[in-house]
Amino acid sequence: DGGITQSPKYLFRKEGQNVTLSCEQNLNHDAMYWYRQDPGQGLRLIYYSQIVNDFQKGDIAEGYSVSREKKESFPLTVTSAQKNPTAFYLCASSSTGVGNQPQHFGDGTRLSIL
Amino acid sequence: GQQVMQIPQYQHVQEGEDFTTYCNSSTTLSNIQWYKQRPGGHPVFLIQLVKSGEVKKQKRLTFQFGEAKKNSSLHITATQTTDVGTYFCAGPSWGKFQFGAGTQVVVTP
Repeated sequence: DGGITQSPKYLFRKEGQNVTLSCEQNLNHDAMYWYRQDPGQGLRLIYYSQIVNDFQKGDIAEGYSVSREKKESFPLTVTSAQKNPTAFYLCASSSTGVGNQPQHFGDGTRLSIL
Repeated sequence: GQQVMQIPQYQHVQEGEDFTTYCNSSTTLSNIQWYKQRPGGHPVFLIQLVKSGEVKKQKRLTFQFGEAKKNSSLHITATQTTDVGTYFCAGPSWGKFQFGAGTQVVVTP
């Protein structure tokens, strides 16, 4: 089945530690996205990529980094500079990045601070 | 920048009743999309509206795009417990989506 796989489902971060969240898709989609969701709130865009080897900052990129070396993969690193990383992180993809195509979401990763 | 606002933030509904949630954009949208997120789950695409004044139905759900393409609504008739969740609208802006904060729907049996 085609879809988006996020791992791990739960992740714990120690103070001063960088952690990387994985996102893989086999939908052959060009565009991929990372969102952060805090309890009871909407989705805020962290980074997005419309094509391999290119990505742009979203609304809350500070303290995060991404790479897009392969079409299928868009990992997100939460750096120690992100002082309040506890949240639900969602990865999504769409066939193109022009804003006219539906987004397909993974099951998410819940990140907590130890 | 573009902002997409949704009201109400919370909606408590008695099973069998109807309700409507609204989405408003500060700018004209080329299209608007609606998503549903069940508790503990991830957003799932419901529908996309493109044309001015467009109305689409999915069983008990009716979606409408405003004439000016700056607002949209989702109307649910005869609410069921399966309708529980948060409904988001989203509008595109240069390759990324601006999601509204969502309407969280709670259904009382």
